[in-house]
Amino acid sequence: SQQGEEDPQALSIQEGENATMNCSYKTSINNLQWYRQNSGRGLVHLILIRSNEREKHSGRLRVTLDTSKKSSSLLITASRAADTASYFCATDPYNTDKLIFGTGTRLQVFP
Amino acid sequence: EAQVTQNPRYLITVTGKKLTVTCSQNMNHEYMSWYRQDPGLGLRQIYYSMNVEVTDKGDVPEGYKVSRKEKRNFPLILESPSPNQTSLYFCASRKTGQVYGYTFGSGTRLTVV
Repeated sequence: SQQGEEDPQALSIQEGENATMNCSYKTSINNLQWYRQNSGRGLVHLILIRSNEREKHSGRLRVTLDTSKKSSSLLITASRAADTASYFCATDPYNTDKLIFGTGTRLQVFP
Repeated sequence: EAQVTQNPRYLITVTGKKLTVTCSQNMNHEYMSWYRQDPGLGLRQIYYSMNVEVTDKGDVPEGYKVSRKEKRNFPLILESPSPNQTSLYFCASRKTGQVYGYTFGSGTRLTVV
């Protein structure tokens, strides 16, 4: 079952601009994670935010979590061409041992 | 280097010919999982394992088997592959007991003809 839905499905921006991706989910969660995937490669864990946190930063990444709306956003500031990848949110629902992924946002950053 | 290693990276096989995709991690992680990734469907969990000899079904387990005889290894077995199992497969692991992100392997692209 799909838990997360990312929005937009695809995003194209110029280097230096900020990129914002959104994720909505359906059930109560322990935490929400964001992953990055370069074309056809393995996923790389970017950042994790717990259900009792509202905002978290890591370098150029900023993640917010609104559990009342069951939504999260990932902001990449001052984007670079090397940020071109697909980005996935993944939720860790209560009382499960699973990590459930959304369908991803394809980000293209033009030099 | 801490990593999850999958083999092979690419595999083309024929319908019905049993195959195994291996997964090994060197981080002493308790939890391991298999996902398949298909266009438009994202990643879907096939099976997972909380520890040695403990496995459970994910969302799309039909047609797959797994085993966890050792902590580091979690092979994915397709007893009789079919074309609808053509996909990109990922193995992932994490520690349990605290909240951690997952470490993913590089993927296995399987084509069943």
